[in-house]
Amino acid sequence: GQNIDQPTEMTATEGAIVQINCTYQTSGFNGLFWYQQHAGEAPTFLSYNVLDGLEEKGRFSSFLSRSKGYSYLLLKELQMKDSASYLCAVRDSNYQLIWGAGTKLIIKP
Amino acid sequence: SQTIHQWPATLVQPVGSPLSLECTVEGTSNPNLYWYRQAAGRGLQLLFYSVGIGQISSEVPQNLSASRPQDRQFILSSKKLLLSDSGFYLCAWSAFTIRGDTEAFFGQGTRLTVV
Repeated sequence: GQNIDQPTEMTATEGAIVQINCTYQTSGFNGLFWYQQHAGEAPTFLSYNVLDGLEEKGRFSSFLSRSKGYSYLLLKELQMKDSASYLCAVRDSNYQLIWGAGTKLIIKP
Repeated sequence: SQTIHQWPATLVQPVGSPLSLECTVEGTSNPNLYWYRQAAGRGLQLLFYSVGIGQISSEVPQNLSASRPQDRQFILSSKKLLLSDSGFYLCAWSAFTIRGDTEAFFGQGTRLTVV
């Protein structure tokens, strides 16, 4: 079967750095997405990786290792507004998105 | 720019009543359209997707159905709601490119509570 694993919940301090990991086992791979979802709202797109390596976008970076079936989202200089769930999704060989359950990130002052 | 509209934002319906959720996309043509359901603390479950008018693929057998009467309109329906249909429903669209679909863009979501 297809599977996306993320930690259920993480806690970090304002101003710090946090890394959210995602491991996947899917039938084929055509890219990995990270989304941010605030409580009660729709997910919003953060990043996309299809080749190995690091993609940087301001305070957010995403890393991919296809051989390890592994990605992480790195959030720097954490702000209170970063408190949200972070969803990892993989596009499989049929170009369908397989979603992880999300990681709830709690930021403390 | 492209926008996606989904309504209503919240809905409380009795068991056995019908359902109709509507989603429209503006600013793009021939989008791929999706209906997802998200249970509390869970990932997104794909319910239906459509690559064109009248073309609907169902991922999960259930008492829900979807229709695409126009290029940028996607409707989720049920004739008789069950308690288990409660959840957060999300409509999304993506564009097809030669390098594969773009990322998915989501509507605001509909919080459905079946009582």
